[in-house]
Amino acid sequence: QITLKESGPTLVKPTQTLTLTCTFSGFSLSTSGVGVGWIRQPPGKALEWLALIYWNDDKRYSPSLKSRLTITKDTSKNQVVLTMTNMDPVDTATYYCAHDDYGDYEGEAFDYWGQGTLVTVSS
Amino acid sequence: DIQMTQSPSTLSASVGDRVTITCRASQSISSWLAWYQQKPGKAPKLLIYKASSLESGVPSRFSGSGSGTEFTLTISSLQPDDFATYYCQQYNSVTFGPGTKVDIK
Repeated sequence: QITLKESGPTLVKPTQTLTLTCTFSGFSLSTSGVGVGWIRQPPGKALEWLALIYWNDDKRYSPSLKSRLTITKDTSKNQVVLTMTNMDPVDTATYYCAHDDYGDYEGEAFDYWGQGTLVTVSS
Repeated sequence: DIQMTQSPSTLSASVGDRVTITCRASQSISSWLAWYQQKPGKAPKLLIYKASSLESGVPSRFSGSGSGTEFTLTISSLQPDDFATYYCQQYNSVTFGPGTKVDIK
């Protein structure tokens, strides 16, 4: 059974760096074709993809946020970490991590999601 | 960048109705499209991948079609559990559409 869970601060101040951790079980990020992505959703708004990391350590970022994002994985701990620098109130959102089986779906489709974590940016 | 649009933004329907949601890409994306359902306070759920393939466990009343720049998600007979917001997502650039809310008429 695949599960994912996001963890990190619920409140950050403007200009601070956000660090979120996705801890997962039921799959390995060393298995060919597997990836973990981060997606966010501001309150009442649409989904926005942020970043993806694959089994082979290939990394992809949203072009509009690339300069602020870093995604890494720790295969031994079954964790993926996302850092976002220079946080702003507009970054207030629920942040989700999700599983991508690139091999099964022949691309980036997210079949398992964490419950999400609400991050508020405010002074 | 490839942009995704959806229509309508809101759809009011009754139980038993046939519902169709349209997703358009700003340039051809072949069949590289997924559809998700999201209920308030919950994570999205994958319904359709590669434009027309039904995800395992998803009821057969959901179907997807299209290729190139125009795609549709159809619910053949709307059920009470289907009132939700639906998003399309283009594979390669991982771009989501703005969503279509299906609410009760």
